[in-house]
Amino acid sequence: EAGVVQSPRYKIIEKKQPVAFWCNPISGHNTLYWYRQNLGQGPELLIRYENEEAVDDSQLPKDRFSAERLKGVDSTLKIQPAELGDSAVYLCASSLGGRGPYNEQFFGPGTRLTVL
Amino acid sequence: KQEVTQIPAALSVPEGENLVLNCSFTDSAIYNLQWFRQDPGKGLTSLLLIQSSQREQTSGRLNASLDKSSGRSTLYIAASQPGDSATYLCAPSGGSYIPTFGRGTSLIVHP
Repeated sequence: EAGVVQSPRYKIIEKKQPVAFWCNPISGHNTLYWYRQNLGQGPELLIRYENEEAVDDSQLPKDRFSAERLKGVDSTLKIQPAELGDSAVYLCASSLGGRGPYNEQFFGPGTRLTVL
Repeated sequence: KQEVTQIPAALSVPEGENLVLNCSFTDSAIYNLQWFRQDPGKGLTSLLLIQSSQREQTSGRLNASLDKSSGRSTLYIAASQPGDSATYLCAPSGGSYIPTFGRGTSLIVHP
């Protein structure tokens, strides 16, 4: 069974440019998460989807970040315009959803973004 | 707001040692706690998930315990190997099932 797929793996852009990250969760996983991980830190949640609904986006900087999960499967996270401080690893994770063991999260390899 | 502390921040040991990694959290109202490992430049790999009603979980040489009331979890690694070298992260989840991550313990096991 394929794991969580993310692309691209690496992205280098100039500040003020737009950038987009794509994530395909594990088949059948209803819950999808986007995290940002700065160097030496643990991941921090940006947004969580239950199917196609964004149920927790309080940490998403909405002035420049947007996300969508139109059909409740794959998802795109966009930054426009990018700033120097956005340099980080962007991680996508998925889980079956619900309570108990169904909440175990599985992570993709991440996208390392460098803003110059 | 949940805060997670992992001790030690870094650990370097010879192969074969039994290890203890500690995780403490400030809000004991959690539903579960998950341990991950992260290899350099890679994503997170799930190791163990402990439900709040459980005291421990085991997988191979790994054993994780949870003392919810005192806000602590411990990951035991038996007979460490060089392949265990990675950063280990713990992440308790509260009512919304949103995990809060610690900074991790960076482990090096040398031959």
